[in-house]
Amino acid sequence: DAKTTQPPSMDCAEGRAANLPCNHSTISGNEYVYWYRQIHSQGPQYIIHGLKNNETNEMASLIITEDRKSSTLILPHATLRDTAVYYCIVIGGGTSYGKLTFGQGTILTVHP
Amino acid sequence: DVKVTQSSRYLVKRTGEKVFLECVQDMDHENMFWYRQDPGLGLRLIYFSYDVKMKEKGDIPEGYSVSREKKERFSLILESASTNQTSMYLCASSVTVGTGRQPQHFGDGTRLSIL
Repeated sequence: DAKTTQPPSMDCAEGRAANLPCNHSTISGNEYVYWYRQIHSQGPQYIIHGLKNNETNEMASLIITEDRKSSTLILPHATLRDTAVYYCIVIGGGTSYGKLTFGQGTILTVHP
Repeated sequence: DVKVTQSSRYLVKRTGEKVFLECVQDMDHENMFWYRQDPGLGLRLIYFSYDVKMKEKGDIPEGYSVSREKKERFSLILESASTNQTSMYLCASSVTVGTGRQPQHFGDGTRLSIL
């Protein structure tokens, strides 16, 4: 699975959009981009995933560049409860099982 | 919403004890996983199961075993607990849909301390 690179930390004001970038320049054609987050002392929470088209659900939007080498997770109206570590990972769609490997992630801090 | 329930949030056991960690999911998912998460080491896969009574070793199976007698339940067993098994244990489940990768949904974790 391709390696990802994320900034170690970001800040965001409450109510504003949080835009979390991720680079995955070695991604291959059948690999998906996944985003999870983990709030302190809780299990990871799935947010969204995509292959090449932009995706939106009730939690967030995922924008994937046309060359698929990078993506951005957008939380449209960040709240204090969105403070967490956000993990961007790439997983092959054809693997026999979807082992997750989290990198360091981005610590997002939402301020009042 | 998918619900993955782990039997305990916090557990303290003694060295040499046999420890059982239980996980139940309510979405009829075929796949279930056990990970441990440690600072600086990230998430590591211990075992997974893609069907009842089926199991596969992950990256760090030594010292652990698993049981999946029913589709909704996946148990992790520490045969003889040791202090280096002190960790956060996370259970996850996912559905298999064709060859597409489906997201894994996690429980809240069990923070296990071995004294």
